[in-house]
Amino acid sequence: AQSVTQPDIHITVSEGASLELRCNYSYGATPYLFWYVQSPGQGLQLLLKYFSGDTLVQGIKGFEAEFKRSQSSFNLRKPSVHWSDAAEYFCAVVNNAGNMLTFGGGTRLMVKP
Amino acid sequence: DAGITQSPRYKITETGRQVTLMCHQTWSHSYMFWYRQDLGHGLRLIYYSAAADITDKGEVPDGYVVSRSKTENFPLTLESATRSQTSVYFCASREGSSYNSPLHFGNGTRLTVT
Repeated sequence: AQSVTQPDIHITVSEGASLELRCNYSYGATPYLFWYVQSPGQGLQLLLKYFSGDTLVQGIKGFEAEFKRSQSSFNLRKPSVHWSDAAEYFCAVVNNAGNMLTFGGGTRLMVKP
Repeated sequence: DAGITQSPRYKITETGRQVTLMCHQTWSHSYMFWYRQDLGHGLRLIYYSAAADITDKGEVPDGYVVSRSKTENFPLTLESATRSQTSVYFCASREGSSYNSPLHFGNGTRLTVT
């Protein structure tokens, strides 16, 4: 069965610093991968998705993610973090049957001024 | 306003009681989903629906019942609430059958079972 692991539960970065959030997946075929962001008290919002093609995917709010099949990873990056990026981030993969998303446990990002 | 609305926003209930969480969307999206969010588990799918009167189980359906008599509504019922069902519940909708269409989430219902 497919699964998603986000190894870092909490990450703290300084405002203006670069960010990388890790995501590892377990999946037999070419995965459909997503990153979502959840601000406090809110639902989840889609940041970006990978289905096929270019392995570097651009998303909203200046985020990007790179699909690396050899490492089974889909890490999220941002070159310069803003205080408003403080939130929880979820990586997700579509299951084999294509009828549901499997989410990772989430990474909570804190931004220091 | 267009969007997806969940009610109530907060709910406290006692063990053994029946409780229904409401979800309403104004887009006429065909697919709707119920997730629960628990610390360390991310979001787990409870039930989903591909259209009115079509529902199917997700990862963690036990103890929950859903119905979808109208496209815009997808209520989730806990028939006899247990403390393990204390969680934050999210409803989501999607326009098409493919995950190429994004999921749109409501703001969640925080349920506490005492």
